[in-house]
Amino acid sequence: AQSVSQHNHHVILSEAASLELGCNYSYGGTVNLFWYVQYPGQHLQLLLKYFSGDPLVKGIKGFEAEFIKSKFSFNLRKPSVQWSDTAEYFCAVTSAYSGAGSYQLTFGKGTKLSVIP
Amino acid sequence: EAGVAQSPRYKIIEKRQSVAFWCNPISGHATLYWYQQILGQGPKLLIQFQNNGVVDDSQLPKDRFSAERLKGVDSTLKIQPAKLEDSAVYLCASSPTTSGTYEQYFGPGTRLTVT
Repeated sequence: AQSVSQHNHHVILSEAASLELGCNYSYGGTVNLFWYVQYPGQHLQLLLKYFSGDPLVKGIKGFEAEFIKSKFSFNLRKPSVQWSDTAEYFCAVTSAYSGAGSYQLTFGKGTKLSVIP
Repeated sequence: EAGVAQSPRYKIIEKRQSVAFWCNPISGHATLYWYQQILGQGPKLLIQFQNNGVVDDSQLPKDRFSAERLKGVDSTLKIQPAKLEDSAVYLCASSPTTSGTYEQYFGPGTRLTVT
């Protein structure tokens, strides 16, 4: 079964600091990778996704993530965070095909990011 | 475009009582998901529908949980009887198809507290 590990439970940064959130997954086959974000009081929403091609993907609000297949990693980065980036970030993975038409999305436990003005 | 709607937003019940949650997906989305998110954890898939058929319910505790999507549009998730460990946020999501490349759109969730 696939699983996702997010290394940091809570990250606290000052505005303008650089951000990198770790995500590792365990699945030997082809995967689709996602980062979702949940701002305070809001729904989970997609930040970015990787299916194939360029392993460096760019998402909304200046976020990017790099897929490193050899390390089973999909780390999220932002060069300069803002107070409005305060949120909880979830890494998720689905296999490219899991049979019977089911693409089960498996989430990590999430990383809470607090940005101090 | 209207998002995924869920109700109620909050529910407090005593253990052994029953509870039901409702979800209306984005119009035209064939696939509907129910997730359970326990505090401090990521969402865990309970059940996935494609139109009105169940695609994956392998993680649904079928002795107490049930779900239906009778007309292929809105869906209900029921817990009967509830246990303390069912306290969680129940999220509904939808996507255009079952393809793993499609984004899932999430509703606001229902926060259930079992006392």
